[in-house]
Amino acid sequence: EAGVAQSPRYKIIEKRQSVAFWCNPISGHATLYWYQQILGQGPKLLIQFQNNGVVDDSQLPKDRFSAERLKGVDSTLKIQPAKLEDSAVYLCASSLVRRESSYNSPLHFGNGTRLTVT
Amino acid sequence: AQKVTQAQTEISVVEKEDVTLDCVYETRDTTYYLFWYKQPPSGELVFLIRRNSFDEQNEISGRYSWNFQKSTSSFNFTITASQVVDSAVYFCVIKAAGNKLTFGGGTRVLVKP
Repeated sequence: EAGVAQSPRYKIIEKRQSVAFWCNPISGHATLYWYQQILGQGPKLLIQFQNNGVVDDSQLPKDRFSAERLKGVDSTLKIQPAKLEDSAVYLCASSLVRRESSYNSPLHFGNGTRLTVT
Repeated sequence: AQKVTQAQTEISVVEKEDVTLDCVYETRDTTYYLFWYKQPPSGELVFLIRRNSFDEQNEISGRYSWNFQKSTSSFNFTITASQVVDSAVYFCVIKAAGNKLTFGGGTRVLVKP
């Protein structure tokens, strides 16, 4: 099966510019996640979708970050305007979870987008 | 809220040595899953193993084994007879209510030939 696809692979922008990342999850995966991984740290959840609805966006800096999953498949994550501290790898993941109680499905991650803000 | 602590930031071993990674977690949920993920230099996160909170039986899968002790909230992971390709960052992860994953800070494993 095809894995989680992300693009672009790398992006360099100046602070205060805007940037968007794209994710295509594994076919049939209902749950989609965006994680931010700062160098030397573990990934931190930004937002979680179940189909096209937001389940958890408590750690998303909503003044500058936004995400959508309009048709319950692909997703985009946008940063506007970017700050230096947004430099990180942005990971998209998906899982086959359909019910709230189904914890056991592992997440499948994409290769990530490495963002550098100068 | 969940929390995962990996006290070891980096471990260096010589090929064929065993390496054990420590993980301690915190959660108020009675039902949860624990995972280990591997992140090689290429960057992708690779699922390795999982264990649910109701099953403390420890298992071996190939060169991987794990020791889950609910009484001490620990979920340690061992690579037997390490190989250079095992060099990566390893993350201990807990998944509880809401299917939200919480990652530890990671342990970098360097296997020298």
